[in-house]
Amino acid sequence: GAVVSQHPSRVICKSGTSVKIECRSLDFQATTMFWYRQFPKQSLMLMATSNEGSKATYEQGVEKDKFLINHASLTLSTLTVTSAHPEDSSFYICSASTGWKGQPQHFGDGTRLSIL
Amino acid sequence: DAKTTQPNSMESNEEEPVHLPCNHSTISGTDYIHWYRQLPSQGPEYVIHGLTSNVNNRMASLAIAEDRKSSTLILHRATLRDAAVYYCILRDYNTNAGKSTFGDGTTLTVKP
Repeated sequence: GAVVSQHPSRVICKSGTSVKIECRSLDFQATTMFWYRQFPKQSLMLMATSNEGSKATYEQGVEKDKFLINHASLTLSTLTVTSAHPEDSSFYICSASTGWKGQPQHFGDGTRLSIL
Repeated sequence: DAKTTQPNSMESNEEEPVHLPCNHSTISGTDYIHWYRQLPSQGPEYVIHGLTSNVNNRMASLAIAEDRKSSTLILHRATLRDAAVYYCILRDYNTNAGKSTFGDGTTLTVKP
């Protein structure tokens, strides 16, 4: 149980393109989803917390107009990287958890984004 | 957010026990201690979590100090598949949807 599916697993696109990444909880309802980015040989950096039906809460330094997050249902959150540039190239990972905050997060397999 | 500190790296021999330490001296009463591990180019995988008492599951054991300022993840018999980066994080169940801050983790190398 507790499977999180993230799609696509890899994206290569030209500078200026907008890219959408989907995160789905397959067998549980996720009232909260988290989006992280990870650079090579570094730890995960939390970008934003997404709650179903409300606006995402962004961490300091993360541009909300650059990284659009939508959590329209209890099983789906999307991250759109708008007008992506090479510096946005990174490994993006989502996680989901149920409403009880002490419970573990369940992570997707990540999306490798490469902007040319 | 309360922070955790872990050794950068550890080595183990295959089929031997491994004890991965984590310090969290500023832990609050509402923080759960969670452990995850991450293989290259994959998302983290949940390992175990606990609040005050020691915990066991099929993957590992978690030993929590009485004052909760430190904990140890125990892999009873390391295998080559256990080689990964192990993260110890605190998850506050009381505030802000339980968001977690990841530290640098411990890179575990398992030698055959």
